[in-house]
Amino acid sequence: SAVISQKPSRDICQRGTSLTIQCQVDSQVTMMFWYRQQPGQSLTLIATANQGSEATYESGFVIDKFPISRPNLTFSTLTVSNMSPEDSSIYLCSASDRGQPQHFGDGTRLSIL
Amino acid sequence: SQQGEEDPQALSIQEGENATMNCSYKTSINNLQWYRQNSGRGLVHLILIRSNEREKHSGRLRVTLDTSKKSSSLLITASRAADTASYFCATDAGGGSYIPTFGRGTSLIVHP
Repeated sequence: SAVISQKPSRDICQRGTSLTIQCQVDSQVTMMFWYRQQPGQSLTLIATANQGSEATYESGFVIDKFPISRPNLTFSTLTVSNMSPEDSSIYLCSASDRGQPQHFGDGTRLSIL
Repeated sequence: SQQGEEDPQALSIQEGENATMNCSYKTSINNLQWYRQNSGRGLVHLILIRSNEREKHSGRLRVTLDTSKKSSSLLITASRAADTASYFCATDAGGGSYIPTFGRGTSLIVHP
């Protein structure tokens, strides 16, 4: 099964700044996803990261706020832009092939002051 | 997109007892998956069951799927303190969509 490395594992940021989260997979995968999770809550899908093209965003999430890159089949980044305290959350990267189980990184715990 | 709903939201049992969690969903699916999440960690995949399957086993885990009732159950037998975690079911929207959406989860506490 794929191993996902996500970094940073946690960060504390000032409001108005941006943070880029990196996700590295140890093998080529078809699909990569970015989720947000409030402590004790479910996962909310932000977007599907598409290799070589623009990400597919879910309702309520926009590219200007959460730009995503996926330059190849093993790597993706999520940027949280112009952060506010409401963006404080856990951000999770996952990867899978179509119809197969997802593999998750350990997440990035983000706090905005 | 649909979202599975787990029941109960919280479960507290003694070591050695069995734990049963249920998941209900709304529309047809391709697959249903169960995941575990330990505090402060990412999700770990437990079992994937396809829509044409009715039951799967993996060690002390047993998953059933009833597509007529649009429900699934996860049974953990002979539970251990290390099973303490949150458990999520994830369903896709069927057809050509394999993107899973997650329920709110069941928080399981196993007391030693």
